[in-house]
Amino acid sequence: QSVLTQPPSASGTPGQRVTISCSGSSSNIGSNTVNWYQQLPGTAPKLLIYSNNQRPSGVPDRFSGSKSGTSASLAISGLQSEDEADYYCAAWDDSLNGPLFGGGTKLTVL
Amino acid sequence: QVQLQESGPGLVKPSETLSLTCTVSGGSISSYYWSWIRQPPGKGLEWIGYIYYSGSTNYNPSLKSRVTISVDTSKNQFSLKLSSVTAADTAVYYCARDLAPSAVAREGSWFDPWGQGTLVTVSS
Repeated sequence: QSVLTQPPSASGTPGQRVTISCSGSSSNIGSNTVNWYQQLPGTAPKLLIYSNNQRPSGVPDRFSGSKSGTSASLAISGLQSEDEADYYCAAWDDSLNGPLFGGGTKLTVL
Repeated sequence: QVQLQESGPGLVKPSETLSLTCTVSGGSISSYYWSWIRQPPGKGLEWIGYIYYSGSTNYNPSLKSRVTISVDTSKNQFSLKLSSVTAADTAVYYCARDLAPSAVAREGSWFDPWGQGTLVTVSS
């Protein structure tokens, strides 16, 4: 059902900066804000970024989000081994009249 | 801080009804929206639906004919019922608080916090 497209995988070495993209359409990212979730292995997803670029309390400023047009990006700077996880973008979809998730990106820290 | 805990049977037979409850602790269920989200093994996330503490609901159209979400404010709980289940409904089911930048519109909403999730397997 995902119409938010993410790369299935991404990787980087410790200390590097990596970005994960999320591509949508005018009915979701193009007209609504984007949220990002981090899912560590075997755990529930956790809110990482909301309203395009806002970090909840406790989320390190190494994580940042941006949006332009119908696409969004999550950037992780100073990559750490504990950042190895699945990352999901999400946005309200006007056609669905509900939130829609991307397919997820598995981040590997080499 | 607010914590959520899912509970219910881990095994449901095909064609029967899946029933789960989410108990909210550390805060009141009132004045918030609450959602159910599921994740099939090895796959991505799918929003099932949400309920406002007053009882108003909104469901994913792909599941709408089979889903009922209800709330019991006296117990600080909300529940999910999914009828006529098949193997395709096997998933980890999560409950979550559903927040939004506006008090009058749901667009832009996000989920925080989440429960730990419960695996429901549909099998005879």
